[in-house]
Amino acid sequence: AQTVTQSQPEMSVQEAETVTLSCTYDTSESDYYLFWYKQPPSRQMILVIRQEAYKQQNATENRFSVNFQKAAKSFSLKISDSQLGDAAMYFCAYSSKGAQKLVFGQGTRLTINP
Amino acid sequence: NAGVTQTPKFQVLKTGQSMTLQCAQDMNHNSMYWYRQDPGMGLRLIYYSASEGTTDKGEVPNGYNVSRLNKREFSLRLESAAPSQTSVYFCASRAAWDTQYFGPGTRLTVL
Repeated sequence: AQTVTQSQPEMSVQEAETVTLSCTYDTSESDYYLFWYKQPPSRQMILVIRQEAYKQQNATENRFSVNFQKAAKSFSLKISDSQLGDAAMYFCAYSSKGAQKLVFGQGTRLTINP
Repeated sequence: NAGVTQTPKFQVLKTGQSMTLQCAQDMNHNSMYWYRQDPGMGLRLIYYSASEGTTDKGEVPNGYNVSRLNKREFSLRLESAAPSQTSVYFCASRAAWDTQYFGPGTRLTVL
């Protein structure tokens, strides 16, 4: 069974600085998707970024980018120019292509210090 | 465009009571999901529906039933609530590239 591990329960960063959240996963599949979701205090799960395993290029969305290392099964999220509104729980998630199921990590709580 | 909606937002039940959580999506997605989120944990899949008329168990289905009423609606029923079912429940629907979009959640407390 696939598993997703986020080894950092909590992280903090100064406003305007850069922070990287770590995620590793275990799978025997070759075609899959990886996601980062943000959950602010409102509890709403918000998609931050998606990576397709067959694409070598790392996905980017404005200040958010990933470092996808397929061989190492690593999928980290970099947040540049951190803003107070970035404070949230961040969840890494995995989906085998077409498998109907998302497997979530335990989450990393990100605090932004003004 | 409302996306995924859930009702109610909050609910308090006594042990043994029953209730149904409602979910609807207006994005014309085929697949819908129910998850629970417990403190300090990620989301765990309860049930899912790959298409209208089909449902399948997820990781933690015990104590729950679901109904896919039509393409838009997917409900979750607790027949006899237990304190262990105190949690936040999320409904989601799936778009292209396996991307799931979530509702705002229902906070359920069972006393």
